[in-house]
Amino acid sequence: AQSVTQPDIHITVSEGASLELRCNYSYGATPYLFWYVQSPGQGLQLLLKYFSGDTLVQGIKGFEAEFKRSQSSFNLRKPSVHWSDAAEYFCAVLSGGGADGLTFGKGTHLIIQP
Amino acid sequence: KAGVTQTPRYLIKTRGQQVTLSCSPISGHRSVSWYQQTPGQGLQFLFEYFSETQRNKGNFPGRFSGRQFSNSRSEMNVSTLELGDSALYLCASSYPRRLAPKGSYNEQFFGPGTRLTVL
Repeated sequence: AQSVTQPDIHITVSEGASLELRCNYSYGATPYLFWYVQSPGQGLQLLLKYFSGDTLVQGIKGFEAEFKRSQSSFNLRKPSVHWSDAAEYFCAVLSGGGADGLTFGKGTHLIIQP
Repeated sequence: KAGVTQTPRYLIKTRGQQVTLSCSPISGHRSVSWYQQTPGQGLQFLFEYFSETQRNKGNFPGRFSGRQFSNSRSEMNVSTLELGDSALYLCASSYPRRLAPKGSYNEQFFGPGTRLTVL
């Protein structure tokens, strides 16, 4: 079965600094990978996705992620964070058949320091 | 285009009761999935419905059930509520494969969730 690991439970970044959130997945075939963001009391908003092709994908709100098959990673990056980026970030994987739905990591709580 | 809507947004029940949650997908989406989010277990897949049929199911007891109507709206039901069922229940909708715009297959859009508290 597939699994997702987000090693960092909390990350604190100064406003204007760069950001990288780590995600490692376990899945036998080429996965469908996603990053979602959740603000307090809200549902999940899709930031970006990787299905195939170019391994560097661009998303909304200035986020990007790079798929590295050799490292089983799909790290999320942003060159300069804004206070409004403070939220919970989830990495997720979907098997090709979707039989197990989305499998999520435990999430990374992003704190922005002024 | 309107997003995924879920009703009610908040619900308080007592142990032993049952509850029904509702989800209306984005127009054109025919697949609806349900997830449970708790602080301890995180986000877990409950089940998926497509064309009024349960297509996939996660590892939850039979007290958790669902259905989908011909207009793609979905409901989930939890019977004999337990304290541990307190959670945020999220619904997500997506296109079926053959109807999905290029690159959108399996892209799930989430509603705001229903916060269930069991006392």
